Amino acid sequence: KQEVTQIPAALSVPEGENLVLNCSFTDSAIYNLQWFRQDPGKGLTSLLLIQSSQREQTSGRLNASLDKSSGRSTLYIAASQPGDSATYLCAVTSGTYKYIFGTGTRLKVLA
Amino acid sequence: EAGVAQSPRYKIIEKRQSVAFWCNPISGHATLYWYQQILGQGPKLLIQFQNNGVVDDSQLPKDRFSAERLKGVDSTLKIQPAKLEDSAVYLCASSSPPGHRTDTQYFGPGTRLTVL
Repeated sequence: KQEVTQIPAALSVPEGENLVLNCSFTDSAIYNLQWFRQDPGKGLTSLLLIQSSQREQTSGRLNASLDKSSGRSTLYIAASQPGDSATYLCAVTSGTYKYIFGTGTRLKVLA
Repeated sequence: EAGVAQSPRYKIIEKRQSVAFWCNPISGHATLYWYQQILGQGPKLLIQFQNNGVVDDSQLPKDRFSAERLKGVDSTLKIQPAKLEDSAVYLCASSSPPGHRTDTQYFGPGTRLTVL
């Protein structure tokens, strides 16, 4: 059974810092991995999608890497801003294409 | 392009009552998903539709939850009767191309259910 874990559960950093969020999964037989952002009271917004054959994806200040063999992914946020404050969720797709989500990392960037 | 619409946004009921949630996916999206997100946890898939048909409902508590997708477009999720542990945010998502494993899912704002 696939399980997805995210560390840390919560993170508070001063503005401008570079930071890394971690995601690990137990079954390496995945189709893809996706990072989402969730703002309070709102749905999820897709940030980056990494196919199983890829090693990383970049979008602006965000960079996500994938190491299938070790069951790990990291989301790197450069030069963090207060507007980055949100919960970040990773999800893997496997089996019948359904998403299995981690529990999320609550990020707060202090001005 | 309009996003995924959900209603109501908030609902408060007492245990043993019934409740229904509505979702309108992005136009043309054949795949529709309902997730349950309990506070402090990630979303958990309840049911996945491909057009009118159910692809996966393995985690749907079928003794109290039911869902249907009308004419392959809108969908309704019902809980009857509700329990305290059903308090959660119910998220609807849709994707295209239909069910392809490289899909990105687009999420609605969710319905926050509180069961007293």
